[in-house]
Amino acid sequence: DIQMTQSPSSLSASIGDRVTMTCRASQGISNYLAWYQQKPGKAPEPLIYAASALQSGVPSRFSGSGSGTDFTLTISSLQPEDFATYYCQKYDSAPFTFGPGTKVNIK
Amino acid sequence: EVQLVESGGGLVQPGGSLRLSCAASGFTFSNYALNWVRQAPGKGLEWVSGISGAGNEIFYADSVEGRFTVSRDNSKNTLYLQMNSLRAEDTAVYYCGRQRSTSPSDASDMWGQGTMVTVSS
Repeated sequence: DIQMTQSPSSLSASIGDRVTMTCRASQGISNYLAWYQQKPGKAPEPLIYAASALQSGVPSRFSGSGSGTDFTLTISSLQPEDFATYYCQKYDSAPFTFGPGTKVNIK
Repeated sequence: EVQLVESGGGLVQPGGSLRLSCAASGFTFSNYALNWVRQAPGKGLEWVSGISGAGNEIFYADSVEGRFTVSRDNSKNTLYLQMNSLRAEDTAVYYCGRQRSTSPSDASDMWGQGTMVTVSS
């Protein structure tokens, strides 16, 4: 099975910062990669599908890129509501594995 | 309003069974694949199972294969997860999610609020 890793596992940033996190697949998955945001005690919220397409209603400060094995989620200007954990997920074929997550903390 | 509402969670002894339900509203249920994802306390998300819009394509994580059965009733707009031979490591919040298309091989575009399953004696 393809393994998903994310780095860093956590980061600290300030309001207005540009934040970048990485997701890596152990084998190529084309662009079958989604990103989700989760806040404590809440369900995940969809952010991005097909590696770079924004889900409906997601602010344009979020962007995704990558293909094959290496993917990036960028927040161009961090807002107070963006402090959360971010997960990537592959969906090219089962199992539809999630990465372990990147937690964005307030600096 | 488009929503998914899970129910059926609770406390069950190891080796026991539980059936989760996920009631959908506000969209054409059969047009979308669905999935179950769980999150153990303090841990990350774990994909559990997926089912196509017609119910003819089903997948499971290795960790639940042979113990869990996913199904859907498109006439009742409801997704199910029958969980048998439950173990302590199945303790988690279980979320149902909707995929963007009829295929389980697609991203999720919405989730329910989750239902807690606790396996303990």
